[in-house]
Amino acid sequence: EVQLVESGGGVIQPGGSLRLSCAASGFTFDDYAMHWVRQAPGKGLEWVSLISGDGGSTYYADSVKGRFTISRDNSKNSLYLQMSSLRTDDTALYYCAKGSMDTVDFWGQGTLVTVSS
Amino acid sequence: QSALTQPASVSGSPGQSITISCTGTSSDVGGYNYVSWYQQHPGKAPKLMIYEVSNRPSGLSNRFSGSKSGNTASLTISGLRAEDEADYYCSSYTNTYTPSYVFGTGTKVTVL
Repeated sequence: EVQLVESGGGVIQPGGSLRLSCAASGFTFDDYAMHWVRQAPGKGLEWVSLISGDGGSTYYADSVKGRFTISRDNSKNSLYLQMSSLRTDDTALYYCAKGSMDTVDFWGQGTLVTVSS
Repeated sequence: QSALTQPASVSGSPGQSITISCTGTSSDVGGYNYVSWYQQHPGKAPKLMIYEVSNRPSGLSNRFSGSKSGNTASLTISGLRAEDEADYYCSSYTNTYTPSYVFGTGTKVTVL
């Protein structure tokens, strides 16, 4: 059974940094690209970032480029999102998702990040 | 990376068919056959319903079908059931400068 379990969310002040983690199981992790997608409270889905299966290619939404860094450790079946210079509009539920370079096919339950002073 | 445009709400009675549209541009929906649809119930994670415009994941009900014409994709739910009441999002691969991904604005489906 495919499982994606996010962790690392919390309350952080504007300008701060936070690192999200996603533990994957139930599939061959390095065969799949991985995404981060976020959803602000009561709002729609926003794609954040994508990393290839081997970790060699990374891509970002314009809204987070230069502030967020996606990475993965295939030996630990884990995905990460390092977030810095956080702003209030980064407040959202952050989902880890499995897929390919052009599709998302399975989502975790999300971890909540609240940026507030 | 502008969001794809969906109607805010669509409703139908049990047993009826409804269609949700998803309008983008030639740089996303119209340019690639990588349109997906997701169902999201309140407080739950999204679930993949359709991928690559018209393909259903294994085990998914054939009441859900997808299509595309030009820059607009569509999701049709036939034989509407109470459990279909949820938010639905489309998405598309795009590669204007670098690969990225864009979601639709979301549609609330109400079963009357």
